Formats: sequence, C-alpha cells, structure tokens
Amino acid sequence: QQPVQSPQAVILREGEDAVINCSSSKALYSVHWYRQKHGEAPVFLMILLKGGEQKGHEKISASFNEKKQQSSLYLTASQLSYSGTYFCGTSDSFYNNDMRFGAGTRLTVKP
Amino acid sequence: KAGVTQTPRYLIKTRGQQVTLSCSPISGHRSVSWYQQTPGQGLQFLFEYFSETQRNKGNFPGRFSGRQFSNSRSEMNVSTLELGDSALYLCASSLAFAEQFFGPGTRLTVL
Repeated sequence: QQPVQSPQAVILREGEDAVINCSSSKALYSVHWYRQKHGEAPVFLMILLKGGEQKGHEKISASFNEKKQQSSLYLTASQLSYSGTYFCGTSDSFYNNDMRFGAGTRLTVKP
Repeated sequence: KAGVTQTPRYLIKTRGQQVTLSCSPISGHRSVSWYQQTPGQGLQFLFEYFSETQRNKGNFPGRFSGRQFSNSRSEMNVSTLELGDSALYLCASSLAFAEQFFGPGTRLTVL
C-alpha cells in the first residue's frame, strides 16, 4: 500500500516553516524523502531507518516514529529553492527495495 | 561519477505497439527500480532488479516486463500499448539497500 501524505499542497512566504507528514498502514523499516521540481527527476533528500531517528540536512530535517508508522519532514526558514513536490517513499524490509511512494505534497514558496 | 541515464528521453507510439526503454545505472549500483509517474497516480512502483534477478514487482499487468544485464543496465518493455500507458517512466539505481538515484525519465506518449 502507498503511504498517505498530508497536506496535498502548501503555499509559503520565504522564511516561513512547513511540515509535511507521511503515514503508513504497514510497519516500516525505512522512510525516504525526495523532492521533485517541475520537469526534473526526483532528488534524494534523506533516509530514516527503523529506530525512531531524526535527521537534518541544512534547514530541512525529518523524524520517523516507527510505532506510529509516521514520518514528518520539517522545512524551516523556507527559501525559493525549496519549491517543488515532496514525496515520501516507504519500505517495510531492510532487504526489500520495493519502495512505495506517497502522492506527493506540492510546496510553493513565494517571495 | 556519471548519473543514471535513460534512453530515449521521448517516445511517441500508437496503441497496440510495443516499446523498450533503457536505463544505465550509476557505476557500481546493482539495484535498478522502475516507476511509472502520472499526474493522477503519482509514482507507481513497477519492479526492481538486483544482480539480473527481479526481486520485487508492483501491481502492473504482465504487459510490463523488464530485465537486467550483467553490467546492471536494465530494460523495460511494454507490449500492446494502451492510451493509459502514457506516462513518465523513471528508473532509479541504488546500492543494495540505500537511497535511490533517479534518471531523467522517458516520456512515453501513446496515441
């Protein structure tokens, strides 16, 4: 099953923060986050593994709550370059590269 | 390191025809996954190959098939094309269980 992402879309002004959520009905081993700009391929942001860790990447960080089967992506002090569609991808096994992606969250950052 | 390459970038076919798409992974990556991306369905997992073996398969009809060669290059074939097969087909390569790196995609249009 595909994970569920929320919200579907969000519009921000530069400098504002946003949270994108990803939840699954299955137990998860890993959650991957990608960003795709219009007309381009998805670009890897970060991976979170089973263990409830939190990771950071510049002003973008993420958390993974394996008990709740949820992950959240945090974008702080957003920049124009953050605009794009964010996808979470989930896998239920270390040995399984069968990635299921959410429908995506379209983020628009305005000046 | 060169990224993931996909050929051709654009294809126009008519219903009933068949098509073969090609993907060359990043050097050293043995896992190649294929995805179909459409505005309505988002990123849908087709299948994953690892060391010439199909390791995972998504919920697509048997008209969709693939293979992987000893140099890790992969091909995807769609037979008896339908209008609904029009989509962006993305391949992604990875080391065994790590983040996936996407190619630019092949835009298939079925008329």
